[in-house]
Amino acid sequence: DVKVTQSSRYLVKRTGEKVFLECVQDMDHENMFWYRQDPGLGLRLIYFSYDVKMKEKGDIPEGYSVSREKKERFSLILESASTNQTSMYLCASSLARPSREQYFGPGTRLTVT
Amino acid sequence: AQTVTQSQPEMSVQEAETVTLSCTYDTSESDYYLFWYKQPPSRQMILVIRQEAYKQQNATENRFSVNFQKAAKSFSLKISDSQLGDAAMYFCAYRSGNNNDMRFGAGTRLTVKP
Repeated sequence: DVKVTQSSRYLVKRTGEKVFLECVQDMDHENMFWYRQDPGLGLRLIYFSYDVKMKEKGDIPEGYSVSREKKERFSLILESASTNQTSMYLCASSLARPSREQYFGPGTRLTVT
Repeated sequence: AQTVTQSQPEMSVQEAETVTLSCTYDTSESDYYLFWYKQPPSRQMILVIRQEAYKQQNATENRFSVNFQKAAKSFSLKISDSQLGDAAMYFCAYRSGNNNDMRFGAGTRLTVKP
């Protein structure tokens, strides 16, 4: 079974803090994704990585950065957390071909106070 | 840019009955893939069913089937013999076959009544 794990299920941070969200997959997938999930808006892509050290901006990259130093690990970084970044963050991975489905992690519910 | 629209924020169905969730999309591409994902409460999102745009035949997975109308850009999900475990958020998703574009709809929350 494909497993995608995220470092925290729940996280509470203060405004201005630097926040790291970690994602690890164990199926040697080329692609990894970070989404933000908000009610009524569905999932919005923040960043996408198709290979180690390679990344592409998604629809809402502002205020976020990513790091992929190893194939199995994809990190999302909030350089200076703000209250409008309070949300559910989902990590996903997939094989390179677009026909292949994504496998999702359990999500991290981040609250910025 | 491609968009995916789910016009039903909430739906409910009686156990053992059939329900259809709607999804429309907008694209100018000919090569793409469509997916329905299920997100149960407090659990991970999982794939329900997948449809390749080049295939005319509608995909089926046990009690789940789709009605893919390519010209109308419609991709609805039918759940037959609904079970309590089908209660979840359902997301329709579009994936381009030409680039890395991936779009999700806003989701439909399905309630199954015993």
